[in-house]
Amino acid sequence: ELKVEQNPLFLSMQEGKNYTIYCNYSTTSDRLYWYRQDPGKSLESLFVLLSNGAVKQEGRLMASLDTKARLSTLHITAAVHDLSATYFCAVGPGTGNQFYFGTGTSLTVIP
Amino acid sequence: EPEVTQTPSHQVTQMGQEVILRCVPISNHLYFYWYRQILGQKVEFLVSFYNNEISEKSEIFDDQFSVERPDGSNFTLKIRSTKLEDSAMYFCASRLQTAAGEQYFGPGTRLTVT
Repeated sequence: ELKVEQNPLFLSMQEGKNYTIYCNYSTTSDRLYWYRQDPGKSLESLFVLLSNGAVKQEGRLMASLDTKARLSTLHITAAVHDLSATYFCAVGPGTGNQFYFGTGTSLTVIP
Repeated sequence: EPEVTQTPSHQVTQMGQEVILRCVPISNHLYFYWYRQILGQKVEFLVSFYNNEISEKSEIFDDQFSVERPDGSNFTLKIRSTKLEDSAMYFCASRLQTAAGEQYFGPGTRLTVT
């Protein structure tokens, strides 16, 4: 079974600081998705990365994909409180029709 | 903007009872999914559905679970005899048949089994 690991699991950071969330996965895939989930809410799509070297940016968030290293990163620049949420990466689908979600990173931005 | 809808938003049931969770995917989407998220944990894949049949299912999706697309719009998840450990948030998702394959998630149904 494909494994998707994120680190850190919990992240507390001050406003204005930068940080990176990592997503490692255990099999070859060139489709990587990032989602945001607020407490008690559904998943909101942030980024779709479809090839090696893909980089997408939206506001203070930037995601990248290195398929050779089986690694995606979500970089946060100058964090603000509104970014506090849980962030999930997901891999797939590959030959099948299944998406595999990471463990999630709970981000808290402290004023 | 089209969206995935789910009903009910919250369902409380007694152990051993049957529940049906309902979803209306985005109308031109062809792939449908159910996921489960136990409070505070990761999103777990249950089942995918395409062309009126299950295309993949996880180990969680045992004989107690079934899915159906009874008409052209609804997609349902049935749990035949609920257990306490079935208490979770259940999300439906749908996607187009494209290479990008981005999923769109519904708001979820919170299932509480007492």
